[in-house]
Amino acid sequence: AQSVTQLDSQVPVFEEAPVELRCNYSSSVSVYLFWYVQYPNQGLQLLLKYLSGSTLVKGINGFEAEFNKSQTSFHLRKPSVHISDTAEYFCAVVRGSGNYKLTFGKGTLLTVNP
Amino acid sequence: KAGVTQTPRYLIKTRGQQVTLSCSPISGHRSVSWYQQTPGQGLQFLFEYFSETQRNKGNFPGRFSGRQFSNSRSEMNVSTLELGDSALYLCASSGQGVNTEAFFGQGTRLTVV
Repeated sequence: AQSVTQLDSQVPVFEEAPVELRCNYSSSVSVYLFWYVQYPNQGLQLLLKYLSGSTLVKGINGFEAEFNKSQTSFHLRKPSVHISDTAEYFCAVVRGSGNYKLTFGKGTLLTVNP
Repeated sequence: KAGVTQTPRYLIKTRGQQVTLSCSPISGHRSVSWYQQTPGQGLQFLFEYFSETQRNKGNFPGRFSGRQFSNSRSEMNVSTLELGDSALYLCASSGQGVNTEAFFGQGTRLTVV
């Protein structure tokens, strides 16, 4: 079975500062990795995904993530955050076998302060 | 292209009652998954349907059930509601192949009193 650990439950930052949200996963089989964002009272929106190929993945809203197989990590980064980036961020994995069952981390609440 | 539509957005039910939630996937998507989101447990997988068949199931009691229709619309039912069933229920649809992503609806907020 897969598991996902998001190392920080809350990350406060100031506007225009860089941010990194950390995600580690555990799986005995190959997986695909995702980052989703959730705004209050909304569903989940996909930020980016890693399926194969280049380990640096670029997503929407200026976010990027790097897949590190040896460290089983998939950290999310943004060089300069905005107030509007305040939201909860979820890292998720799915087995790379057609089994479409997402396993999510507990989430990281990113709060961007002026 | 319309997104994933969940109805209703909000529900208040009494303990012991049953409830049915509806999900209309993106046109052409045949896979529909359901997730429960609570502050304590986070996002947990309930089940996935593909072409009217339950393909995957999470670790939830039998009170939680679902079905999918020939037009890919899905419903989930919770019987004998408990206070702990209060949650945001999210539906996601995806297209063919494992390389496609899951698109989520806005969810149904269920409150059990």
